[in-house]
Amino acid sequence: NAGVTQTPKFQVLKTGQSMTLQCAQDMNHEYMSWYRQDPGMGLRLIHYSVGAGITDQGEVPNGYNVSRSTTEDFPLRLLSAAPSQTSVYFCASSFGQAVDTGELFFGEGSRLTVL
Amino acid sequence: ELKVEQNPLFLSMQEGKNYTIYCNYSTTSDRLYWYRQDPGKSLESLFVLLSNGAVKQEGRLMASLDTKARLSTLHITAAVHDLSATYFCAVDHLRDDKIIFGKGTRLHILP
Repeated sequence: NAGVTQTPKFQVLKTGQSMTLQCAQDMNHEYMSWYRQDPGMGLRLIHYSVGAGITDQGEVPNGYNVSRSTTEDFPLRLLSAAPSQTSVYFCASSFGQAVDTGELFFGEGSRLTVL
Repeated sequence: ELKVEQNPLFLSMQEGKNYTIYCNYSTTSDRLYWYRQDPGKSLESLFVLLSNGAVKQEGRLMASLDTKARLSTLHITAAVHDLSATYFCAVDHLRDDKIIFGKGTRLHILP
């Protein structure tokens, strides 16, 4: 049981480049989410999904796209990277608030630097 | 819009002392979570509080929830150095399934 797996762990991009952060979970969780962590800002919700085919915006969605074609995967796309997107990104999943406690399980994080 | 505020944001304390971290939130919710993060690491779940008056304890940490006051506390008893970490509270915004985090409390326990 791998839990929540994020790739890559580290990435350096140039301004304007695009990339996808991958997130996969093997716990059959319906709920998946992406957060970014910046010093002094805590964790801020980017996008979340309550099930395959359903996504919604969080607190800071601008500059990011997501899709949820399967229960297991929830990739986060940066279409045109900006230095303000330099951050540590965490993917998290749960069974969902409707059917369970909503307790989130986190991946190890992906550190992104945009030059 | 749900806002979650923690205080203090930074706490330096001596081993053996007691202290409390506070988590206030702005809209109705009856689900609150506490997480711990060590430097450079991911977050691990400490407590899940699901109703008014809920109290959970694990070792030297005790968490409680007062939904009427929109307040949760994380109490540390007789702190030890191993408890040094950043502690986050998070609140379930029931209306739309968002889970919103506070800014975290960085706890530094001096030996």
